Amino acid sequence: DAGVTQSPTHLIKTRGQQVTLRCSPKSGHDTVSWYQQALGQGPQFIFQYYEEEERQRGNFPDRFSGHQFPNYSSELNVNALLLGDSALYLCASSLISGQDLNEQFFGPGTRLTVL
Amino acid sequence: RKEVEQDPGPFNVPEGATVAFNCTYSNSASQSFFWYRQDCRKEPKLLMSVYSSGNEDGRFTAQLNRASQYISLLIRDSKLSDSATYLCVVNIAYGNKLVFGAGTILRVKS
Repeated sequence: DAGVTQSPTHLIKTRGQQVTLRCSPKSGHDTVSWYQQALGQGPQFIFQYYEEEERQRGNFPDRFSGHQFPNYSSELNVNALLLGDSALYLCASSLISGQDLNEQFFGPGTRLTVL
Repeated sequence: RKEVEQDPGPFNVPEGATVAFNCTYSNSASQSFFWYRQDCRKEPKLLMSVYSSGNEDGRFTAQLNRASQYISLLIRDSKLSDSATYLCVVNIAYGNKLVFGAGTILRVKS
């Protein structure tokens, strides 16, 4: 049973560029959440997708956008990159209709460095 | 004020020691509570959920005090392999986003 997978594992971009990160949820899961984790901090919620729609959004600017596909996989897009966007980006999947709605399984993350 | 606050540590303890971590949360509407463990440069992994009645899983005991909005994690008989960052996590609304504390660093030494 495959867990949550993310690609790429590492990425280096320069300021002003755009980036797309990808996530495949755990088998059987239908909900994907994205988090940003800066060095020395806990993960910060970016947004959550269910049924191909954004259900809830954290305190992130519109430069951060996402998408969920019919197979439940998801993308996170960040435009006009800033140095402060350098972080570990984590994807977490869960089953919205499951008994324990709150258990989220995390992927290994994509480490983004903006130069 | 941060939604979830933890003592960042680090806590440096010898093997076999008992160590306790505390966490406070600000939103009284918080519904679910968790401790996650995160190893260096890895993803967070669920350690245990936290219930009002308190719960235990081997050497780990978690407690929740809703009146004081306080969560704790007790680790007994610490092992070298317990060295990690422990993240206190709350879920404000059912099935919704997780709010993480900044984490508490534990280093267990021989």
